[in-house]
Amino acid sequence: DSGVTQTPKHLITATGQRVTLRCSPRSGDLSVYWYQQSLDQGLQFLIQYYNGEERAKGNILERFSAQQFPDLHSELNLSSLELGDSALYFCASSVGLTSGRPGELFFGEGSRLTVL
Amino acid sequence: GQNIDQPTEMTATEGAIVQINCTYQTSGFNGLFWYQQHAGEAPTFLSYNVLDGLEEKGRFSSFLSRSKGYSYLLLKELQMKDSASYLCAVRVLTGTASKLTFGTGTRLQVTL
Repeated sequence: DSGVTQTPKHLITATGQRVTLRCSPRSGDLSVYWYQQSLDQGLQFLIQYYNGEERAKGNILERFSAQQFPDLHSELNLSSLELGDSALYFCASSVGLTSGRPGELFFGEGSRLTVL
Repeated sequence: GQNIDQPTEMTATEGAIVQINCTYQTSGFNGLFWYQQHAGEAPTFLSYNVLDGLEEKGRFSSFLSRSKGYSYLLLKELQMKDSASYLCAVRVLTGTASKLTFGTGTRLQVTL
């Protein structure tokens, strides 16, 4: 158990709909990262938050947005869903520079999104 | 941007040794990680290198050459449970931001 919690674990929805994925980082971790992993694809970095502020952006579509709340949990909002958005969405947290392995990510179990 | 290359698939026999290579081209390099990912599960940390050389951890070792942009993961005494994808990830510092960029992963199949 990494200590990172993601909900829901599975989600099935239709094209055009909107969903929200939730992530609680490990206790004490200030950074939250979102990654997308499509079938047989690598982990694609979407976005990073640090202590409530957006820190880095990757290949995140304009239809997607995220935020990190004062209690450090994060939400990834996916709207106007398309078939191609079906993927595993991972949240990861990091303790940052004070770690013996700076930048090490601890991953949640992922949210599997299926768009029909 | 970053470019990370690793073989797509490898097959090895139980009890054998396998080496998974990773090459990368990036600016702001600040460490290289190897993660293991079983199908449908979360990636889990295996190994970390930030300086050149070999890091050994039980049956797993990882090597880094920063000048060559090259790393490998060595798995010894392979077991069936080692069948998984192995992800090479490069840590890049950009200003105050740090992120891990992952290769597409090497799917290892361990056979009897």
